[in-house]
Order: sequence, then C-alpha cells, then structure tokens
Amino acid sequence: EVQLVESGGGLVQPGGSLRLSCAASGFTFSSYDMHWVRQATGKGLEWVSAIGTAGDTYYPGSVKGRFTISRENAKNSLYLQMNSLRAGDTAVYYCARGLTEGAFDIWGQGTMVTVSS
Amino acid sequence: EIVMTQSPATLSVSPGERATLSCRASQSVSSNLAWYQQKPGQAPRLLIYGASTRATGIPARFSGSGSGTEFTLTISSLQSEDFAVYYCQQYNNLWTFGQGTKVEIK
Repeated sequence: EVQLVESGGGLVQPGGSLRLSCAASGFTFSSYDMHWVRQATGKGLEWVSAIGTAGDTYYPGSVKGRFTISRENAKNSLYLQMNSLRAGDTAVYYCARGLTEGAFDIWGQGTMVTVSS
Repeated sequence: EIVMTQSPATLSVSPGERATLSCRASQSVSSNLAWYQQKPGQAPRLLIYGASTRATGIPARFSGSGSGTEFTLTISSLQSEDFAVYYCQQYNNLWTFGQGTKVEIK
C-alpha cells in the first residue's frame, strides 16, 4: 500500500525550531518529487516546500530562509526543518507525493504544529 | 506569484443536481491545473490533473475543463459523499492553491 506518515509535530514557542518527518512506503521514494503543504485550522491549503529527485528545492516567499526541506532516500524519508517559527506557522502539515507533471497524488494524514508561548 | 481565485465560496446544491465550480488564475497556467477534494478531518484527495484528466479511481461524474486562466470542475450528479471543500491548484510556476469552494447540501 502506498503510504505517507508524518511525525514530529507539537507545541513550540515563537522563535523556536521543529523538524518534521515523513515516512514513505509502498513506492520507489527516490523516483518522486516530494512536497510539504500546510493548512491552518479552518483555512485553505498553502504549499510550503518542494524537493526534486535530484535534491533541488523550492519555497514560497512566506517560508524562504526559515524552512529547509530535505530527503534521505536510503531511509525513504522526507524532512522539514522549521526555524524562527511564528504564530502564523501554526497549522497541520501534510507531506505529499508529486506526479511528474506536477499535481500531488498521495497525501499523508498530517501532523499538527502549534506555535505559541 | 500566481494567484488562484475560486468561485463561489460556498455552493448549495441538492443531491442529484449538477455542481459547477470555477477557478481563475492571475496569469496563464496552460493546462497545469489540478482539483482536490477535502472532507473534514481528512487529507485532500486528487480528483483531476492536467485540467481534465481524472486521477485513478475518481468517478466519471467528476470532470474538469479549461486552459489558460479559466477552469471549471463539474460534478454531474451530486452524491452524498461529494459534499466537501474543493480546491484548485496551479503547478505551472511553483505551486499555489485557490481558497476553496465548499459544496454544501441545499
């Protein structure tokens, strides 16, 4: 079964750091682009970062310089290092698999990140 | 950044009726457009990619059309399980989502 399972969420103070993980199974992880998408409670979806099969990375302006996406193909794992966290980063964070043409076909169940003092 | 605008914000439809959802891009995204369905407490599910190609396992009552800046998702005959929030997403230049359309029972 193709599956993505996120972990690492929790409560962190403003200015703090957190590292999210996403464990992939049921497919050849190294062959796919991977993404992080977040969703604040009651709000819409926001793309947060992407990493290609060659390790190329992409970010929107809202997180660039604060978040770092990485992957470890030997462990079928995706990561998101989040630094200088703000209240506005509070959300459920999903990892998602990218199709070659760009859409996201497999999503994890999400992990909650709360930034609060 | 390409801005995606969906309309309406909420669509009230009776079961069995047709639902038509719109998505507009601030600049051309060619056919690099996807639609997702999200139910409460669940992750999004890919419905349509390439503006009009149904994803694996998606029923034929879901169809997508459009190119450039104007796109439409049509649900031909709403079933009870189709009441949800729908998002469009462009992937022509990085990735951005629309704000969503909630399809509710009339």
